[in-house]
Parts: sequence; structure tokens; C-alpha cells
Amino acid sequence: NAGVTQTPKFQVLKTGQSMTLQCAQDMNHNSMYWYRQDPGMGLRLIYYSASEGTTDKGEVPNGYNVSRLNKREFSLRLESAAPSQTSVYFCASSGGGESPLHFGNGTRLTVT
Amino acid sequence: QKEVEQNSGPLSVPEGAIASLNCTYSDRGSQSFFWYRQYSGKSPELIMSIYSNGDKEDGRFTAQLNKASQYVSLLIRDSQPSDSATYLCAVTGAGSYQLTFGKGTKLSVIP
Repeated sequence: NAGVTQTPKFQVLKTGQSMTLQCAQDMNHNSMYWYRQDPGMGLRLIYYSASEGTTDKGEVPNGYNVSRLNKREFSLRLESAAPSQTSVYFCASSGGGESPLHFGNGTRLTVT
Repeated sequence: QKEVEQNSGPLSVPEGAIASLNCTYSDRGSQSFFWYRQYSGKSPELIMSIYSNGDKEDGRFTAQLNKASQYVSLLIRDSQPSDSATYLCAVTGAGSYQLTFGKGTKLSVIP
């Protein structure tokens, strides 16, 4: 049972480059999330999708876009990467409501 | 702005002792409360969830919730070196299922 799968695990970008982080879950969850985690800042919500076909901004959405491709997949795109986007990115899913989050293994992104 | 506060630590306890981790939250309407454990370089994993006032026990872990005081805690009995990790408190907001995370408390269990 794979759970939540993120790709890639590591990525180095130069300022201004673009990239897409991929996330897929096989738990038939309705809700999916993208978080970033920075030292001293904790986990902060970037975007979420409560159900297939819907997306909403979280706490720190600037500089990011998302696509809920289908029920399984939720991607995060950086159109023009900035050093401030250097972080560890986690995708998560849940069954919705009060269900807990299940996290992927994370993507460590460095923007130089 | 919803806030979830935790002592950053590190909290050091000897092996076999009880570790007590605390969390306060600002949104009085919060309904769901979670504790996640995160090992260095790994993703958060769910330890406990609690939704009503009182204690909830699962093995060596006990979550305690006091909504009147806006306080949730995690007790780890018979602490083991493998419990050394950062513990994240997460809380949903009133009328929302979005989680707000605390910055985490780093626990170190000394053999």
C-alpha cells in the first residue's frame, strides 16, 4: 500500500526556472493538500483541494499554482522559482471532515 | 489568525521516564486535535487524535484535551530512545477542517 507518493524527492532549481511537484494517493481520499516546512516556521498550508474539481488557497499561496488532475493526483507548480521557495514540500491527503492527514515523503527543493 | 503554540524544546528526558508535551491554541471553536511525530528528515506521522474533553490512551501514549483552557497535551510513558523526534500539535479551526500546525517540540530521550 503506497499511500501518498511524491516526486521528485530532491530538486535544485535556478531562480526563474519552473517545475511541477507531483503527488498521487491510492487511499481513495477526497481531500488533498500541499504544505511547506521551513526551520522555525512549522508546516504551512499552500493550497488544498477539498474534493475533485475544487482548489483553494491556504496560508502561503503566492508564487504557486495547483491542479487537481483527478481524485488521485494533485500537483503543485512553481512558475518562476525564487530563493524564498527553498523548502521541504509535503503533500497530504485525508478522507475529509475530521479525518487525519496522511503525508507523503516530501520533496526537498533548493532554489539558487 | 489562528495560532497553535508549542515549546520548541529540546525537551530531554531519561529513558523510562514520562515525557509531557504541551500545546495551546487560540481558536476557541476548534473541534479536532492531532499529535504527529516527525523524525529528522522524514514526514509527519499521526500518533493520536482527540475530539472531546478528557484523556485518550493508546499504548504508551495519552492525549489530554481541555477545551475550556484551550490546551492539549501528549504524555509518553516509559519513554524510549526511539521516541526521540519532533512532535507536532495540529488543530482544526471553528467551522473548518483545515489544520493549523504548531512549530513542534523536539524530544530527546537519553539512554
